[in-house]
Amino acid sequence: EPEVTQTPSHQVTQMGQEVILRCVPISNHLYFYWYRQILGQKVEFLVSFYNNEISEKSEIFDDQFSVERPDGSNFTLKIRSTKLEDSAMYFCASNDRAPPRGETQYFGPGTRLLVL
Amino acid sequence: DAKTTQPPSMDCAEGRAANLPCNHSTISGNEYVYWYRQIHSQGPQYIIHGLKNNETNEMASLIITEDRKSSTLILPHATLRDTAVYYCIVRAMNRDDKIIFGKGTRLHILP
Repeated sequence: EPEVTQTPSHQVTQMGQEVILRCVPISNHLYFYWYRQILGQKVEFLVSFYNNEISEKSEIFDDQFSVERPDGSNFTLKIRSTKLEDSAMYFCASNDRAPPRGETQYFGPGTRLLVL
Repeated sequence: DAKTTQPPSMDCAEGRAANLPCNHSTISGNEYVYWYRQIHSQGPQYIIHGLKNNETNEMASLIITEDRKSSTLILPHATLRDTAVYYCIVRAMNRDDKIIFGKGTRLHILP
């Protein structure tokens, strides 16, 4: 069964450094999402992306964050200058569009980001 | 905020049916009930969804009350691998609709 993949699985970085988290959504999906989950907290929406532009973003998704679909398969989340509070699991998701399963988001395994 | 209410935790014996309740008294006519689960340190996994009819797939059954104000997810024969946090979510079937996760129910399957 097709699945969303994410790389790397773990990333350790120094505060102030830039990180790029990569995702390969399910092929033929057109809607893409990033979520994050700080340890012990709820999964939180960051951004949705369709047709090469952001559809919606949360308050968390400030100017330090950006998303890109650089080619036909990858979907990336960039954090320009990481802060300690960016330490979290980051999940990518893509949206199924065809019935009968309807419009269901499928999630990747996540990237655990640790900012020191 | 999430529009659903779930018990924070439940226990179920291995091999028995696990019945996870969810209240969604403010659900709108165009909103579906979705269930996801999150096994420790993994990404949320889609389980099932429905509008008003009961649904069944290879993972679970979803029972929605006639007034649609509550639902129950049933795992018919729970195994240790079903230990996870289960999220009940209501959302409209729009393609770019974000998912708002609540705290879910932490289900412990006991050997």
